[in-house]
Amino acid sequence: SAVISQKPSRDICQRGTSLTIQCQVDSQVTMMFWYRQQPGQSLTLIATANQGSEATYESGFVIDKFPISRPNLTFSTLTVSNMSPEDSSIYLCSVASGGALNEQFFGPGTRLTVL
Amino acid sequence: GDSVTQMEGPVTLSEEAFLTINCTYTATGYPSLFWYVQYPGEGLQLLLKATKADDKGSNKGFEATYRKETTSFHLEKGSVQVSDSAVYFCALRYTGNQFYFGTGTSLTVIP
Repeated sequence: SAVISQKPSRDICQRGTSLTIQCQVDSQVTMMFWYRQQPGQSLTLIATANQGSEATYESGFVIDKFPISRPNLTFSTLTVSNMSPEDSSIYLCSVASGGALNEQFFGPGTRLTVL
Repeated sequence: GDSVTQMEGPVTLSEEAFLTINCTYTATGYPSLFWYVQYPGEGLQLLLKATKADDKGSNKGFEATYRKETTSFHLEKGSVQVSDSAVYFCALRYTGNQFYFGTGTSLTVIP
């Protein structure tokens, strides 16, 4: 299994500012993902973080709003830019591991509140 | 497209009651199916999974069987405990690709 840590665990931010969330994995993994879980809702995939190339974004998410870095196989960052109250959510880092990449592990999440 | 439909909550049960949380899916191929659990204040944890038709996943007294004929993966537990109170997510995934999650079902078990 993979152990994932995220920083910060929570934050309260002002409208118009940006926050960078860090994700650290205890082993090298091929695939890393960023999800958003809005209050009372399910998880929505934001993007796949690719090591050595640009992230692959899902429909409705753009690089200018959610820039992602993946400098190596154990670390990634997600930035939430120019925040508004609608960005208040839990942001989760996830990795695919195991046989045939069929196990997916989730970090504890970053709870973001935008005022 | 691929999707997962979960029974809506919240669900409230007394301790030792039988639990069923329904999950059906729509998929073009043969995905793997998962149940994840999110305890209060914590991240998602894999509860159980099944990778092919008729497989039964089980863990911590929970079970779910991959039913291709009914495209279902219902979660069951014979006797719930207060510590089972959490949000449960059904999900499907093709190997190497993204997950599709259901909307989650909140379970509260009262003593």
